[in-house]
Amino acid sequence: SQQGEEDPQALSIQEGENATMNCSYKTSINNLQWYRQNSGRGLVHLILIRSNEREKHSGRLRVTLDTSKKSSSLLITASRAADTASYFCATDRGYGNNRLAFGKGNQVVVIP
Amino acid sequence: GAGVSQSPRYKVAKRGQDVALRCDPISGHVSLFWYQQALGQGPEFLTYFQNEAQLDKSGLPSDRFFAERPEGSVSTLKIQRTQQEDSAVYLCASSPGAPARRNTEAFFGQGTRLTVV
Repeated sequence: SQQGEEDPQALSIQEGENATMNCSYKTSINNLQWYRQNSGRGLVHLILIRSNEREKHSGRLRVTLDTSKKSSSLLITASRAADTASYFCATDRGYGNNRLAFGKGNQVVVIP
Repeated sequence: GAGVSQSPRYKVAKRGQDVALRCDPISGHVSLFWYQQALGQGPEFLTYFQNEAQLDKSGLPSDRFFAERPEGSVSTLKIQRTQQEDSAVYLCASSPGAPARRNTEAFFGQGTRLTVV
């Protein structure tokens, strides 16, 4: 079964706007990661937040983690057309091998 | 190579045919994973290797699926007697650490798109 379930979103925004997507999970985790997948390309790692962290920034990305609510959000600021992609959250549930449980993904379209 | 390489990129198989999908991980990466991604879904874990040892195969959907990594580098995912429900993108990922090194990202290949007709 999949853990890490994004709010089912197909987000369409104008270039320059911010995009926010959410993810929830069910069990305890070591970390939560966000990945991007462009059409025809593999998954690209964006950012990792550990279970003892609450917020993390990387360039135009901001990730929050609320372990009490078992949820995370990814904010992309000042979006660009190149940000058009599917975004997946994935949790490491501590199996001891770093295997990831992915959500269903959010489709984001940035209109130039 | 600089990244994880998978071949072939596309494979069309007739139902009942056997297929073999190859993954070349990043050199020196200890951990290797296979995931299956159905259309419109997120990837689902299939199996995990630490060097040549297959330590977790709990995600393999049936005994028609078999994976190996005999020398601890290149891995092959084999699917016997393919069925239409096997149609998906098969992703390989590697990471540098052994299981004790948590909080490490995985590096994914571009995947092999398998279509069973």
